[in-house]
Amino acid sequence: GESVGLHLPTLSVQEGDNSIINCAYSNSASDYFIWYKQESGKGPQFIIDIRSNMDKRQGQRVTVLLNKTVKHLSLQIAATQPGDSAVYFCAENIGIEGAQKLVFGQGTRLTINP
Amino acid sequence: KAGVTQTPRYLIKTRGQQVTLSCSPISGHRSVSWYQQTPGQGLQFLFEYFSETQRNKGNFPGRFSGRQFSNSRSEMNVSTLELGDSALYLCASSLGYAVGDTQYFGPGTRLTVL
Repeated sequence: GESVGLHLPTLSVQEGDNSIINCAYSNSASDYFIWYKQESGKGPQFIIDIRSNMDKRQGQRVTVLLNKTVKHLSLQIAATQPGDSAVYFCAENIGIEGAQKLVFGQGTRLTINP
Repeated sequence: KAGVTQTPRYLIKTRGQQVTLSCSPISGHRSVSWYQQTPGQGLQFLFEYFSETQRNKGNFPGRFSGRQFSNSRSEMNVSTLELGDSALYLCASSLGYAVGDTQYFGPGTRLTVL
């Protein structure tokens, strides 16, 4: 399998519980933030995104919260399932005028215990 | 709709050689970005191409180069390989017109330099 960061922060939760993954970003001018999920041997998979003019956005079983004051993002996953086990990355797009340039956080390894 | 494809999936090279990686974006996407993923440095932006032009560049030496063709397919080249170039190389495609255009990743090419 893939080794995505040997010293990642880890989070272990029981199946069915809710999980919260946190991320700090650096660029106060960033306008667009994304959460990706990466499973072993795969590329990052888009989960949910949020623009800077919002502080909360909900998807299916996931919610992203944005606190621009302290430059903090969080991803909440409700009723976790074994398939949620993966490494989760936050990213900010610091590109200008359509240019794409993602800056990624270090990632958090989420483990779901049966 | 087919996702982002990358070839080859695995490569083994020796120091001093050069390598070319290929990425085919999602149909209709005009932006292709390349990222390097290592356990020590995480996910780092290499460069982005849009309509055959490099629009953004990360902090990598000139040994790393790329290009994009008129059909939006992209190639990345690394010359004079070093041991530290061993990594998972990911490409991502997006529409490329706005910062909020989602980037979708391919499965990556695993490069090992011996």
